[in-house]
Amino acid sequence: GDSVTQMEGPVTLSEEAFLTINCTYTATGYPSLFWYVQYPGEGLQLLLKATKADDKGSNKGFEATYRKETTSFHLEKGSVQVSDSAVYFCALLGGGSNYKLTFGKGTLLTVNP
Amino acid sequence: EADIYQTPRYLVIGTGKKITLECSQTMGHDKMYWYQQDPGMELHLIHYSYGVNSTEKGDLSSESTVSRIRTEHFPLTLESARPSHTSQYLCASSRAEGTYEQYFGPGTRLTVT
Repeated sequence: GDSVTQMEGPVTLSEEAFLTINCTYTATGYPSLFWYVQYPGEGLQLLLKATKADDKGSNKGFEATYRKETTSFHLEKGSVQVSDSAVYFCALLGGGSNYKLTFGKGTLLTVNP
Repeated sequence: EADIYQTPRYLVIGTGKKITLECSQTMGHDKMYWYQQDPGMELHLIHYSYGVNSTEKGDLSSESTVSRIRTEHFPLTLESARPSHTSQYLCASSRAEGTYEQYFGPGTRLTVT
């Protein structure tokens, strides 16, 4: 079945550092890929998405590229801020499914001033 | 901005009580979902619905039940709460076509004493 493996946290960075959170997946067909972010005490918000190979999703300075050859969708940001402290989830929607999101286990990011 | 609401945000209740967690969305989405989020952050799908009068169990077995009498409303009920039900419950919705990204409510944090 479909699965998502993402980098285990917690990840602690200083402000303005470069961020990478690794995400790899296993899926049948051609999945859509997502990154969600969960700020403390809140629900999940869609951060970015990519629906086909080589697509790059971007939002709020975050980027991720859908790499079919390496089955990866790594999240990057060039310069993190304290306000980026949150839990980040990688997720996929399998090519044969029209409802079921498969989530990774989440990565807690803490950015210190 | 997603328009999906959950009430209450926080609930502390004694063992054996019946509770209903409310979820409503104003986006006209056909599909709705309930997730349980454990303290380790991992998300588990417990119920979903394709539309009015449609409900299905998710990946994680749950003693809760759901109903979908109106498109915008997807309440979750526990007939007899137990301490093992203590968790964060997240409601989500999505369109029936397109890339199917899910929009999440703010969550209900349930504590059963």
